[in-house]
Amino acid sequence: GAVVSQHPSRVICKSGTSVKIECRSLDFQATTMFWYRQFPKQSLMLMATSNEGSKATYEQGVEKDKFLINHASLTLSTLTVTSAHPEDSSFYICSAPTGERAEAFFGQGTRLTVV
Amino acid sequence: GQNIDQPTEMTATEGAIVQINCTYQTSGFNGLFWYQQHAGEAPTFLSYNVLDGLEEKGRFSSFLSRSKGYSYLLLKELQMKDSASYLCAVKEGTYKYIFGTGTRLKVLA
Repeated sequence: GAVVSQHPSRVICKSGTSVKIECRSLDFQATTMFWYRQFPKQSLMLMATSNEGSKATYEQGVEKDKFLINHASLTLSTLTVTSAHPEDSSFYICSAPTGERAEAFFGQGTRLTVV
Repeated sequence: GQNIDQPTEMTATEGAIVQINCTYQTSGFNGLFWYQQHAGEAPTFLSYNVLDGLEEKGRFSSFLSRSKGYSYLLLKELQMKDSASYLCAVKEGTYKYIFGTGTRLKVLA
């Protein structure tokens, strides 16, 4: 199957700092990628759709200035959590669709802890 | 609105069969996926239905009824390693996935 690599897998940062998370499609090109957030014991909540070469599309209630998304190439999307606060602590996962069924392949996820 | 509902938790015994239900109401439908997710890990693909009926894949089967907005995942011969969360996801349009609430399955010895 296709491979999506997400980095870092874990990060701890101080309140007020920014954190960048990378999502790469390793063996296919992805014009569209998705960013999800997952709270403990809950399902994946779609945050935004990352579009190569254009602005991201954010879901209702997600602050675009807080969660900056850049999709500068066909294999890389980045999510930057700006001015992080403890309530931003969560598990963030990216996915990229590919194949006949446009099946979603997921990155390994990033556990963000803001202290 | 959009709703994809699943039971929150289920418990079953090793060797048994368990059925996890998913009901959905979405603005679009272009297929339904089931994913397995172990704690702290990314979801992994289990099955896909786009037409009504049953899809079988080893110990796992998935059923879809589009008219009822209903799917289920059937797990047979349960093993301890099947303890995980199971996510139902509806694909809207070409790429966008909406995930259900997820079901945490605990398999007991």
